[in-house]
Amino acid sequence: QVQLVESGGGVVQPGRSLRLSCVASGFTFSSYGMHWVRQAPGKGLEWVAVLSYDGSHKYYADSVNGRFTISRDNSKNTLYLQMNSLRPEDTAVYYCAKGLGSGGHDSLHYWGQGTLVTVSS
Amino acid sequence: QLVVTQSPSASASLGASVKLTCTLSSGHNSYAIAWHQQQPEKGPRFLMKFNSDGSHIKGDGIPDRFSGSSSGAERYLTISSLQSEDEGDYYCQTWGTGVVVFGGGTKLTVL
Repeated sequence: QVQLVESGGGVVQPGRSLRLSCVASGFTFSSYGMHWVRQAPGKGLEWVAVLSYDGSHKYYADSVNGRFTISRDNSKNTLYLQMNSLRPEDTAVYYCAKGLGSGGHDSLHYWGQGTLVTVSS
Repeated sequence: QLVVTQSPSASASLGASVKLTCTLSSGHNSYAIAWHQQQPEKGPRFLMKFNSDGSHIKGDGIPDRFSGSSSGAERYLTISSLQSEDEGDYYCQTWGTGVVVFGGGTKLTVL
């Protein structure tokens, strides 16, 4: 069955960097678009970024554009989120999600369990 | 601008039915949407993708009690024979070129 396992979360000071990873299994990773979605404490879901199946197309939410970078290694079935210049408002549980299609323009289909990022001094 | 709007809360009795609404912004009547469920203290789960022509794809193991429908710019999720485990937050999601959008979510209380 499809499994998405995130890691890399933790407590980090404002202005510092953190890299999240998401290891996928149970499907052909290299055939699907992949997303990052976050959820601040007590708040709703906020889409962060998407990367197409081959890495050729990537898009970001305005709130993270220029600070976060989404990437993937299809040989390792792994999705990444490099987060730079972190702010307190980036504090959230970060979810990795598999898209229903190969690009980024489709429904999210499977979700990971999430990893918590806390930005605080 | 692509936006989806949901009512903040809904409630219905155990065994009854409830209909949740997701409204697409002006000019986006033909857009497909997806519904996701988030039970308390859990991660989200995909329920279904619903196209404006009525076709849909359901998530793995999603029972027939969950169904979708639409009218104009509105997309609906109907849950029949409500069970206690249906309590939680329900999110509507849509997408366009270079963007994915979530509604604010509807908190469903099963009485």
